[in-house]
Amino acid sequence: DVKVTQSSRYLVKRTGEKVFLECVQDMDHENMFWYRQDPGLGLRLIYFSYDVKMKEKGDIPEGYSVSREKKERFSLILESASTNQTSMYLCASSPPDRDLHQPQHFGDGTRLSIL
Amino acid sequence: GQNIDQPTEMTATEGAIVQINCTYQTSGFNGLFWYQQHAGEAPTFLSYNVLDGLEEKGRFSSFLSRSKGYSYLLLKELQMKDSASYLCAPLVNNDMRFGAGTRLTVK
Repeated sequence: DVKVTQSSRYLVKRTGEKVFLECVQDMDHENMFWYRQDPGLGLRLIYFSYDVKMKEKGDIPEGYSVSREKKERFSLILESASTNQTSMYLCASSPPDRDLHQPQHFGDGTRLSIL
Repeated sequence: GQNIDQPTEMTATEGAIVQINCTYQTSGFNGLFWYQQHAGEAPTFLSYNVLDGLEEKGRFSSFLSRSKGYSYLLLKELQMKDSASYLCAPLVNNDMRFGAGTRLTVK
């Protein structure tokens, strides 16, 4: 089974702090994704990566950056946290694009609160 | 732009059948996924449709009409554990786009 592990289930930070959310997958997947999930809005794509050191902006990249130094690890960075970034953050991974029917596998999520 | 619509909430009785609809208006459509998400947990994959028609998988079936921009998830013999949110996710070019989800309560 694919295992996608997010470093924290719950995290509380203060406005202005730099926040790191870590995600690791153990299936050698090329693709990794970061979403945020808010009530009534569904999952919205922040950033994704198709390979090591590659990153692409999703629908809502503002206020975020990412790092993919190793294939198994994809980090989401909030450069200066703000209260509107309080949300559930979900990481996912999937095989390459040639397998379009392959689903994304999700981590359990990190519920981040910015005070 | 992308527009994905599904009902916000549904309620059904244990043992019954429920159909969760999803309509979408997207360009570059390459298929549609359905995910199940229990409260506080990760979304888990249920089904993927790329061709028109019905795909059956045990108690769950998923239907797609590409020409109508329409899909539904059919859950039979409902169980209490089926209470969850169900996410419709069209595959647009190479990216999944998620609807807001339908919260199903089984009573």
